[in-house]
Amino acid sequence: AQTVTQSQPEMSVQEAETVTLSCTYDTSESDYYLFWYKQPPSRQMILVIRQEAYKQQNATENRFSVNFQKAAKSFSLKISDSQLGDAAMYFCAYRGIQGAQKLVFGQGTRLTINP
Amino acid sequence: DVKVTQSSRYLVKRTGEKVFLECVQDMDHENMFWYRQDPGLGLRLIYFSYDVKMKEKGDIPEGYSVSREKKERFSLILESASTNQTSMYLCASSLTSDTAYNEQFFGPGTRLTVL
Repeated sequence: AQTVTQSQPEMSVQEAETVTLSCTYDTSESDYYLFWYKQPPSRQMILVIRQEAYKQQNATENRFSVNFQKAAKSFSLKISDSQLGDAAMYFCAYRGIQGAQKLVFGQGTRLTINP
Repeated sequence: DVKVTQSSRYLVKRTGEKVFLECVQDMDHENMFWYRQDPGLGLRLIYFSYDVKMKEKGDIPEGYSVSREKKERFSLILESASTNQTSMYLCASSLTSDTAYNEQFFGPGTRLTVL
């Protein structure tokens, strides 16, 4: 079974600085998808960024980028120029290619932005 | 925009009560999911459905059942609520396809307290 681990329960960063959230996963599959979801306080979970395992290029969405290391099974999220609105729980998630579209989530990292 | 709604944001029930959590999506998605979210554990899949009247167990189905009589609606049922079912419950939906990427869209969540 696949597992996803986020080893940082909480992180904090000064506004305008850069922060990196860590995620590792375990799988025997060769092709899969990885995601970062954001859950703001009392608001709905939204997708931040996704990465297809067959793509070597790291995904980027505006201030959000990932460092995908397939051999190391590592998938970190970098947030540049942190803003107060980035404060949220961040979840790393895995989805295999085969079978149903089940997501396997990590434990989450609570990110605080200090003004 | 995809909209996933859940019948209640907050719910308080007594031990032994039968509890219904309702989820509705308005984008004609085939797949629907129920997760529970607990601190330090992330999101764990309870049940999912890939078509009307079809369901599959997730990772933690014990104590729960589901119903999907219409495509847009997916209900989670706690047959006899217990205190260890106090949690945040999240519903999600996505388009079908076994292999292609399809984003899961989440509802706002129902925070259930069982006394």
